[in-house]
Amino acid sequence: EAGVTQSPTHLIKTRGQQVTLRCSPISGHTSVYWYQQALGLGLQFLLWYDEGEERNRGNFPPRFSGRQFPNYSSELNVNALELEDSALYLCASSLGDFPDTQYFGPGTRLTVL
Amino acid sequence: KNEVEQSPQNLTAQEGEFITINCSYSVGISALHWLQQHPGGGIVSLFMLSSGKKKHGRLIATINIQEKHSSLHITASHPRDSAVYICAVSPSRSSYQLTFGKGTKLSVIP
Repeated sequence: EAGVTQSPTHLIKTRGQQVTLRCSPISGHTSVYWYQQALGLGLQFLLWYDEGEERNRGNFPPRFSGRQFPNYSSELNVNALELEDSALYLCASSLGDFPDTQYFGPGTRLTVL
Repeated sequence: KNEVEQSPQNLTAQEGEFITINCSYSVGISALHWLQQHPGGGIVSLFMLSSGKKKHGRLIATINIQEKHSSLHITASHPRDSAVYICAVSPSRSSYQLTFGKGTKLSVIP
């Protein structure tokens, strides 16, 4: 069974640019979570999607947004990139039960110059 | 104050030693998770607990709901156990996302 996949693996952008990160959940999983892991800050919750709807968002500015598609894959968009957006962005998926084990993808490492 | 606190932050052990990592939380939870993150960044879910104790191989996780405390034990540690171990909680039924501790970096020396 394929795990959670993310693309791209690495990305380098400059300040002010926009970026889109993609996530494909495990087959059968309806919930997708996005987390940010910035250096020295630990993992922080960004967004949660379930059944195509945004269910909750963390304490991040509106320039962080995303969506979930009918096939449950998801994308995370970050507009007007700032230097402090440099981080590892992790996607996780689960069956949508509560509480539930979340399965993490390998992450996308974003560097903003 | 972080809602999830882990100790120690860093831990170095000799191969074969018994290891304990602690996690305390200040919020009501529905479940507590132990995660393992290797240097490349990939995260693996080790346990999800809402009460009692779970065991998988050389790993044991316990939780005391009344004391809001959990421990992860590794028996007969091995260099391949070297990783960052992260405690996370599912705070409430309305919030499925996880709240994380800052992690414990474990290095097991041969």
